[in-house]
Amino acid sequence: IAGITQAPTSQILAAGRRMTLRCTQDMRHNAMYWYRQDLGLGLRLIHYSNTAGTTGKGEVPDGYSVSRANTDDFPLTLASAVPSQTSVYFCASSDLAATSYNEQFFGPGTRLTVL
Amino acid sequence: GQNIDQPTEMTATEGAIVQINCTYQTSGFNGLFWYQQHAGEAPTFLSYNVLDGLEEKGRFSSFLSRSKGYSYLLLKELQMKDSASYLCAVMDSNYQLIWGAGTKLIIKP
Repeated sequence: IAGITQAPTSQILAAGRRMTLRCTQDMRHNAMYWYRQDLGLGLRLIHYSNTAGTTGKGEVPDGYSVSRANTDDFPLTLASAVPSQTSVYFCASSDLAATSYNEQFFGPGTRLTVL
Repeated sequence: GQNIDQPTEMTATEGAIVQINCTYQTSGFNGLFWYQQHAGEAPTFLSYNVLDGLEEKGRFSSFLSRSKGYSYLLLKELQMKDSASYLCAVMDSNYQLIWGAGTKLIIKP
């Protein structure tokens, strides 16, 4: 059982390029999340999805889009990358129905550098 | 606005006890989480508190006071492997997690 996988592990990207970060989970969790983590700041929610077919905006959604065509996959797309999007990106999932506290499980992260 | 405060960095000695504090102001409260994050790795779940009081789990304990907007994580019998960042997060009224910036814990021999 892999849990949550993310790809790529790291990427250097030229500004203006389009990039999709992939996230797949095999735990059949209904909820999935994308965060960015920057030095000195807490994890910040970009987008989330409470169930397949629905998505919502988090704290910092500008410049990012997501889709949730099925339960397992939750890709994050940067339509036209800018240097301020240099960050470590974490995908997470949780089973909203299973527990009372919605523990989130995290993928290993993608380190993205935009030049 | 929503705010989670925790110290940026703490240093402790192997075998000792350390307490990491977290204060919060959020729109609604549906529980407080502590996660551990080793450098270059993903956060992993440590504890959850939704009622006032102490939750103990082995060497780690977490305390919550909702009236004071305060929590702490207590680590006993510190080991070198406990060197990591400890993240405090509060679940708000929308059931989203609001995260503190994390406390980097340095353990010295």
